Amino acid sequence: GAVVSQHPSRVICKSGTSVKIECRSLDFQATTMFWYRQFPKQSLMLMATSNEGSKATYEQGVEKDKFLINHASLTLSTLTVTSAHPEDSSFYICSASRAGFSYNEQFFGPGTRLTVL
Amino acid sequence: QKEVEQDPGPLSVPEGAIVSLNCTYSNSAFQYFMWYRQYSRKGPELLMYTYSSGNKEDGRFTAQVDKSSKYISLFIRDSQPSDSATYLCWANDYKLSFGAGTTVTVRA
Repeated sequence: GAVVSQHPSRVICKSGTSVKIECRSLDFQATTMFWYRQFPKQSLMLMATSNEGSKATYEQGVEKDKFLINHASLTLSTLTVTSAHPEDSSFYICSASRAGFSYNEQFFGPGTRLTVL
Repeated sequence: QKEVEQDPGPLSVPEGAIVSLNCTYSNSAFQYFMWYRQYSRKGPELLMYTYSSGNKEDGRFTAQVDKSSKYISLFIRDSQPSDSATYLCWANDYKLSFGAGTTVTVRA
């Protein structure tokens, strides 16, 4: 149990286009979902935290208008990279916490590799 | 100062050796501590978690927390090439602080 999927797993796009990444909890309800980005050989950097039905909370330095997050249901959150540029190329990973658990154990998706040409 | 600091590595050990990974944290309010394993180009997977101080053992893996010194450790006994990965320590707080990760290579 506690499986998180991401789609797509890999995307290549042209500079200036927008890209949407989906994160789904497949067999549990996720009260909170998190979005991270990871550069090669570096650790995960938390970008934002989203709770179902409310606005996402962004970490300092993360542009809200650039990285649009929607958490429309207890099983789905989306990250849209708007007007993507080559510097947005990265590995984007989502995670989800299960509803009803006292500690924030996170289950991670497999990640989405974004390449902006 | 980062809230969780992890020995940077990388670490290379022969098969069968004991792998020792360490992290320190600064916030005494942290209660939950977790170790994640991340293979290259994959999302992290939860390996072990502990609550408060003490040891937890799961097969070849042992997680230790010493809250008095704010020290977190993960030991891998009888290491295997399949243990080659990056290990991330995590102290549970609102901001979900991760260590930078230690890349471990187990040589056959």
